[in-house]
Amino acid sequence: NAGVTQTPKFQVLKTGQSMTLQCAQDMNHEYMSWYRQDPGMGLRLIHYSVGAGITDQGEVPNGYNVSRSTTEDFPLRLLSAAPSQTSVYFCASSDTRRQNSYNEQFFGPGTRLTVL
Amino acid sequence: RKEVEQDPGPFNVPEGATVAFNCTYSNSASQSFFWYRQDCRKEPKLLMSVYSSGNEDGRFTAQLNRASQYISLLIRDSKLSDSATYLCVVLPVGSSNTGKLIFGQGTTLQVKP
Repeated sequence: NAGVTQTPKFQVLKTGQSMTLQCAQDMNHEYMSWYRQDPGMGLRLIHYSVGAGITDQGEVPNGYNVSRSTTEDFPLRLLSAAPSQTSVYFCASSDTRRQNSYNEQFFGPGTRLTVL
Repeated sequence: RKEVEQDPGPFNVPEGATVAFNCTYSNSASQSFFWYRQDCRKEPKLLMSVYSSGNEDGRFTAQLNRASQYISLLIRDSKLSDSATYLCVVLPVGSSNTGKLIFGQGTTLQVKP
C-alpha cells in the first residue's frame, strides 16, 4: 500500500492564483482530513470528510474548498491564494470501521506552499 | 488560552538521559489523548495513546492527570534517534465521530552524543 499520497510536494503561487492540492489514500479509509501547520501554531484542521459525498468545516476553513467524490480522493482547493496561506499542508485519513479508530490518523508527506 | 499547550523547547539532552514533557489541555471534558512524533520536515505519526491508568511502551511512558488536566511523556535512556518534535494531541468531547483532533504546537527534543 502507498498509504496517503499528496501532490505536489512543493508549490509557489502568486497572490490571487488558484490551485488544487491533491490527496489520495489506498487504505479504504472513510475519514479524511486536511490540516495546515504553521510555526508555533500546531496543526489546525481545515476541512474533513467522514465519507464520500460528506464534507464539513474544521477550525480554519476560510479560503479553502473541498469535495469528496470518491473514498480514495480528497482534494483541497485554494480559491484565491493569499500570503497568509503560506504553510505546510497535510492530508490525513483514518479507518473508522474500528472502534476508537480516530486515534490513529495516517498522514501524507505534506505539501509546502509559498504564496508571494 | 490555547486548547492544548506545550513547552516548545528545545530540550537538549545527552544520550542515555531521561527526559519528560508535559502538556496541558483546557477542556476538562476531553475524552482521548495521544502523543504523536514528527521528524524534521516529515509527517506526524502516532507514538502512543494515553490511558487513564498510564501506559508504557518500551522506553516511553505516558500518563494522564485528569484532575490537573495535563498529560506527560517520559523517555528513558534517550537515543539519538529520539530527536524529533513530540505533539500532544487531544480528542475533545463530542468529537469521536468527527476525528477532530486538537494538536499542541509540539515540543522539540534534541539528543546529543
